[in-house]
Amino acid sequence: EPEVTQTPSHQVTQMGQEVILRCVPISNHLYFYWYRQILGQKVEFLVSFYNNEISEKSEIFDDQFSVERPDGSNFTLKIRSTKLEDSAMYFCASTSRRGQNEKLFFGSGTQLSVL
Amino acid sequence: QQPVQSPQAVILREGEDAVINCSSSKALYSVHWYRQKHGEAPVFLMILLKGGEQKGHEKISASFNEKKQQSSLYLTASQLSYSGTYFCGTENNNNDMRFGAGTRLTVKP
Repeated sequence: EPEVTQTPSHQVTQMGQEVILRCVPISNHLYFYWYRQILGQKVEFLVSFYNNEISEKSEIFDDQFSVERPDGSNFTLKIRSTKLEDSAMYFCASTSRRGQNEKLFFGSGTQLSVL
Repeated sequence: QQPVQSPQAVILREGEDAVINCSSSKALYSVHWYRQKHGEAPVFLMILLKGGEQKGHEKISASFNEKKQQSSLYLTASQLSYSGTYFCGTENNNNDMRFGAGTRLTVKP
């Protein structure tokens, strides 16, 4: 089965530093997502991306966050100035058609630790 | 916007049954169910659409009552491999997938 790949699997950073989390969605998918999961808690929606622009974002996705699809294959999440509370597992997901009986394919996640 | 799941946690013996419920305050387009093992990504189980349909996958099945905006996941004759956290995900016409807080299922020998 095709896979969504995420790199790195673990990222440790100092508070205030910028991080970029990378994702390669499945090649024919059109809708891309970032979710995060703080340890032991629920999977929280951050942002969705379609046709090279954000289609929806949550209240978590503030000015410190940005997403980009720089080259037609990668989909990145940037956190400009990390805070301790940004420590979480970040999942990228993709699907071919939104709301059309299509499941989300999740990557294996990037564990971000902010010290 | 997020669906509400219940119960928060369930402990079963192998062979026992469980029901996990998911409800929303908004009209739903579809309900997804995912299972997440510790330290891993959520894995898709099934999608249910409007129309009160029921689906099954081995001994795991689910129903979706569109009018009540509720879905239930049924695990029958549970196996050790069923242990994990189960999330329902809901979509409506205006919002992308939102997940419930999860139900932690532990199956003991």
